[in-house]
Amino acid sequence: GQQLNQSPQSMFIQEGEDVSMNCTSSSIFNTWLWYKQDPGEGPVLLIALYKAGELTSNGRLTAQFGITRKDSFLNISASIPSDVGIYFCAGQGGGSNYKLTFGKGTLLTVNP
Amino acid sequence: ETGVTQSPTHLIKTRGQQVTLRCSSQSGHNTVSWYQQALGQGPQFIFQYYREEENGRGNFPPRFSGLQFPNYSSELNVNALELDDSALYLCASSLAGFRGTGELFFGEGSRLTVL
Repeated sequence: GQQLNQSPQSMFIQEGEDVSMNCTSSSIFNTWLWYKQDPGEGPVLLIALYKAGELTSNGRLTAQFGITRKDSFLNISASIPSDVGIYFCAGQGGGSNYKLTFGKGTLLTVNP
Repeated sequence: ETGVTQSPTHLIKTRGQQVTLRCSSQSGHNTVSWYQQALGQGPQFIFQYYREEENGRGNFPPRFSGLQFPNYSSELNVNALELDDSALYLCASSLAGFRGTGELFFGEGSRLTVL
């Protein structure tokens, strides 16, 4: 099945550092979403973006909907140990308004 | 916690068997979607149900089928299990009509192992 191109695949950072990850697609999406998944659990919605160019924050998290509608990025500022997990981007739209297409995820490890 | 509950959390089956997974939606949500997540991969869309009818389907064979009940709960049935069906099966609920059901809320998943 189709998946988005998400990078990097993994990141190892020190507590307090900022993190940036991004997602690109060959298709246009109407909605971009970012999820976090902890081991043994389902994905949890972090941020939803609905408009090209939109910049949205949720605490230490900031995400942007690319103006081409084919990309999005997520920044985490001042990382803490509980930020550890897998972050997924997901896109929706372009004729398939009923499903999300996910990236393969970015594994984030934070060293205290 | 999303309010989406799934059962069972873990199960083991053998090839050729059939399995039924269950999901209760978050209160107020009328749409249920099912996703398959293989190890190390992102979730893959199986299908979505709205008003008890299949509303869209991903690239999965007909042996994957589902139901949605009047209370919006749902079942995923998989017949003739194959080894590659081993995965985490995620149920997600949403409110249809809210910006294209983009805001999906996932349960914790059912881990299926096929031997």
